[in-house]
Amino acid sequence: DAGITQSPRHKVTETGTPVTLRCHQTENHRYMYWYRQDPGHGLRLIHYSYGVKDTDKGEVSDGYSVSRSKTEDFLLTLESATSSQTSVYFCAISQDPYNEQFFGPGTRLTVL
Amino acid sequence: DAKTTQPNSMESNEEEPVHLPCNHSTISGTDYIHWYRQLPSQGPEYVIHGLTSNVNNRMASLAIAEDRKSSTLILHRATLRDAAVYYCILRDRAGGGADGLTFGKGTHLIIQP
Repeated sequence: DAGITQSPRHKVTETGTPVTLRCHQTENHRYMYWYRQDPGHGLRLIHYSYGVKDTDKGEVSDGYSVSRSKTEDFLLTLESATSSQTSVYFCAISQDPYNEQFFGPGTRLTVL
Repeated sequence: DAKTTQPNSMESNEEEPVHLPCNHSTISGTDYIHWYRQLPSQGPEYVIHGLTSNVNNRMASLAIAEDRKSSTLILHRATLRDAAVYYCILRDRAGGGADGLTFGKGTHLIIQP
């Protein structure tokens, strides 16, 4: 399995609080992605990164920011969490953007 | 990315072959066909991808129609562990960008023992 971990794996927080999710890889892959998965919507892309300090928005980026200061870490931040951001968040990595992506185990976030 | 159409669910018996269809009638010449699957409570997992020719790997085979408007993922001998949601996704190599995968709702494959 690709060396990709996510932390925390589960988190419960309150509306209005900041939350940061971490994705860590040991594969030295250039590309990293954050998706969210909700019932009835499948996986949707939030943000992606194509290198250190190089990031761009995905389909559902409102309310989220990201940072990538090192190849191995891609952080997803919810500046002020809302109940609509309750979801399962998946990180993915790839060496080549047109070949396979490897997904992490996911983080289940609940915003009360 | 061009749109794909898959059946909502399919059922098969253990140790029998499974053929999962995908229609992509608006596919462009530079679209690759990718398949991923997602087991319960796990992240998606890459299965296979191809452009024009049929492809085989240790997990599955991908049969692509001659006009490329449809494809079929073939699991040669299904096991209970193959019960998952299977996603057919098109990726345009001509796009030049690094944007992510576009997941539809996929096919929920049920395997009966």
